[in-house]
Amino acid sequence: DGGITQSPKYLFRKEGQNVTLSCEQNLNHDAMYWYRQDPGQGLRLIYYSQIVNDFQKGDIAEGYSVSREKKESFPLTVTSAQKNPTAFYLCASSIRGGTGANVLTFGAGSRLTVL
Amino acid sequence: KNEVEQSPQNLTAQEGEFITINCSYSVGISALHWLQQHPGGGIVSLFMLSSGKKKHGRLIATINIQEKHSSLHITASHPRDSAVYICAVSRYSGGGADGLTFGKGTHLIIQP
Repeated sequence: DGGITQSPKYLFRKEGQNVTLSCEQNLNHDAMYWYRQDPGQGLRLIYYSQIVNDFQKGDIAEGYSVSREKKESFPLTVTSAQKNPTAFYLCASSIRGGTGANVLTFGAGSRLTVL
Repeated sequence: KNEVEQSPQNLTAQEGEFITINCSYSVGISALHWLQQHPGGGIVSLFMLSSGKKKHGRLIATINIQEKHSSLHITASHPRDSAVYICAVSRYSGGGADGLTFGKGTHLIIQP
């Protein structure tokens, strides 16, 4: 079955450490997204990629980095520069990007806790 | 003022009740999405609509483009419907790089 796989589901990090969250899709989707979810807030875009080797910063990109070397993979690195990284992180994909109407497929999420 | 507003924020109902969740938006859109997030955290796309009405099982979504308003209805509600329901809009312009703006969600609990 096609879908999005995020790993790990739970991750604990010490302050000052970088961590990388994995996101893999086998849907042959061009566009991939990383969102952050905090209690009482809507999903906020961290990074967005419409195509391989291209990505754009979202509203809260500071302290995060991404790469898109393969169509299937869009890993997110949470760096030590991110001041408040404890949150739930969701990866998503769609057939294409842009401002048209595209159905999103989400992964199961990764919960990061900074100790 | 948020560009996508959902109401109510929280809703508790008894099994079997008819449920309505509302979404109002203030920007031009190409489509509106209804998403479901279960306690485990994963999100499922329920509907994407740009006009009229869509139905899937016990779920019905409607949109009124002129009034910039959408509703999600659940008929014969069941405890397994307990989840957070999120409204999101695909914008013609503005918003984030992804062209999407999300509401804060409606937390629904259906008691047996």
